[in-house]
Amino acid sequence: AQSVAQPEDQVNVAEGNPLTVKCTYSVSGNPYLFWYVQYPNRGLQFLLKYITGDNLVKGSYGFEAEFNKSQTSFHLKKPSALVSDSALYFCAVRDPNSGGYQKVTFGTGTKLQVIP
Amino acid sequence: KAGVTQTPRYLIKTRGQQVTLSCSPISGHRSVSWYQQTPGQGLQFLFEYFSETQRNKGNFPGRFSGRQFSNSRSEMNVSTLELGDSALYLCASSLRAESPYEQYFGPGTRLTVT
Repeated sequence: AQSVAQPEDQVNVAEGNPLTVKCTYSVSGNPYLFWYVQYPNRGLQFLLKYITGDNLVKGSYGFEAEFNKSQTSFHLKKPSALVSDSALYFCAVRDPNSGGYQKVTFGTGTKLQVIP
Repeated sequence: KAGVTQTPRYLIKTRGQQVTLSCSPISGHRSVSWYQQTPGQGLQFLFEYFSETQRNKGNFPGRFSGRQFSNSRSEMNVSTLELGDSALYLCASSLRAESPYEQYFGPGTRLTVT
């Protein structure tokens, strides 16, 4: 069975500093990986995804994520945090090798707090 | 292009009642998924529909059911409501059910059961 872990419930970072939100996954083969962001009182918004190819994926709002197969990780990064980046971030995985219509499994979410 | 819409946005029900939530996907999207979001459990998958057929189901009791119509609009129903059903219910649409398509989420329906 596929699973996703976000080991940090909350990450605090000063504005202007680089940020990292961690995600590790478990699937039987090569995964499809996603990052979503949720602002207060709103639904989730798609940020970026890894399907295949280059391990560094660039997405919306200056975010990027690095796929590391040996460490089964897909950490979200941004070189310089903004106060407006403060939100709840979800990592998700889909296993294309599980056959049929594969469901998406989400992590429990990491609250990012950017301090002015 | 209009985003995913969900109605109603807020709902208050009492234990034992039933509720129906509605979701209209992005035009052209044929896959609709439903999730329950609670502070303690995060985002839990309920079910996914594609071409009016349920393709996947999460680990929820039979009180939770859904359907999809020919225009891809979807409804979910919860019968015999319990206090623990209080949550934000999110609907997401994507072009197709197969990966690697990303999902687009609606704003959610906040259900409160008293």
